[in-house]
Amino acid sequence: DAMVIQNPRYQVTQFGKPVTLSCSQTLNHNVMYWYQQKSSQAPKLLFHYYDKDFNNEADTPDNFQSRRPNTSFCFLDIRSPGLGDAAMYLCATSRDGGRGIDYGYTFGSGTRLTVV
Amino acid sequence: QKEVEQDPGPLSVPEGAIVSLNCTYSNSAFQYFMWYRQYSRKGPELLMYTYSSGNKEDGRFTAQVDKSSKYISLFIRDSQPSDSATYLCAMTEPQGGSEKLVFGKGTKLTVNP
Repeated sequence: DAMVIQNPRYQVTQFGKPVTLSCSQTLNHNVMYWYQQKSSQAPKLLFHYYDKDFNNEADTPDNFQSRRPNTSFCFLDIRSPGLGDAAMYLCATSRDGGRGIDYGYTFGSGTRLTVV
Repeated sequence: QKEVEQDPGPLSVPEGAIVSLNCTYSNSAFQYFMWYRQYSRKGPELLMYTYSSGNKEDGRFTAQVDKSSKYISLFIRDSQPSDSATYLCAMTEPQGGSEKLVFGKGTKLTVNP
């Protein structure tokens, strides 16, 4: 089945130690998003790629970076994780920003990050 | 004022009840209105989306949008224990050549057998 896969499902990292989360998709969607969701809060958009174009949200900390080497893969790099970065990180994809017959955003199951 | 307001609940109902979930919003630029269901430790999955004011029905689910009041609702008829999840409203905001999805906080629903 076509889907969005996030690895790992659970990640424990040390305070200040760089960590990378990965997302892959078989939907051939041209837009990929990274959201941060803290407990009992709304998912918050960090950034997205529209094809190869990177779009950063104004309030996303510099500590968060992203790479998209090809259509299928996208990575979230946290350079120096702090305790406040513990959250569920969600990857999502859409075709042309979600418009059209194929409307909607497809989410992965998320990576739950713990910082110790 | 947050762009999208949603009562986080929790909401607990008996099996078979009609459930009403609501969101209000402040941004007139929002175009599409969606409801996502999120089970524990899973990503959100799209339930329904709509563009214009009015009702849209899909099985036991009805989505309602009132753009003049900036108010959207999701109704679940004959609720089942398997409907127990967090329900997130979401809205799209045009952003350059793409768009941005803005979520409410989510309402946690428990349907008791």
